[in-house]
Amino acid sequence: DTGVSQNPRHKITKRGQNVTFRCDPISEHNRLYWYRQTLGQGPEFLTYFQNEAQLEKSRLLSDRFSAERPKGSFSTLEIQRTEQGDSAMYLCASRELIGELFFGEGSRLTVL
Amino acid sequence: AQSVTQPDIHITVSEGASLELRCNYSYGATPYLFWYVQSPGQGLQLLLKYFSGDTLVQGTKGFEAEFKRSQSSFNLRKPSVHWSDAAEYFCAVGVGAGNNRKLIWGLGTSLAVNP
Repeated sequence: DTGVSQNPRHKITKRGQNVTFRCDPISEHNRLYWYRQTLGQGPEFLTYFQNEAQLEKSRLLSDRFSAERPKGSFSTLEIQRTEQGDSAMYLCASRELIGELFFGEGSRLTVL
Repeated sequence: AQSVTQPDIHITVSEGASLELRCNYSYGATPYLFWYVQSPGQGLQLLLKYFSGDTLVQGTKGFEAEFKRSQSSFNLRKPSVHWSDAAEYFCAVGVGAGNNRKLIWGLGTSLAVNP
């Protein structure tokens, strides 16, 4: 297993466009987390899944953000009508029910 | 409120010198504590963690951290820094109960290493 994989690694888009990021967790991990990280800040929790169920969403996750994990394996994070303030690194992490978090390398979003 | 404070935004040390990165947390219950390292273009990698037991925890890459409940601190140390240790270091505390625990992060400390 190669670890947590995120795609694309970098996305540049114009304001108002929709973007989607994909995360493939470590295969036996049933917990999957999304974080957002801006320059000079620590990661901010966005949401997490246990298998296909989305168990918690942060208040940071506005209505323009939606995350899915339809089959309990990979997850997608979609941002609709992007704004410049959405520019950040979007991090995915996974773990077993109990255990350490393994992070992907992140997907960097730049909104022009 | 739950929070993590890393007082030093940026630290520069010489190669071979000792290092201590500070971390203070605010959390009412017994904390689960973590240090992660993030190198440019890399994902976050776990250096070490404290759940219970011995308050001095050994991690990867020669790092260690000591949990001091009385000071609400979990400082990261390394006796001799290598140039490859230059990176961003994040302290985090796990809050919540059982399987619903999530991480609260500090703002990070950027480490530069002079040759």
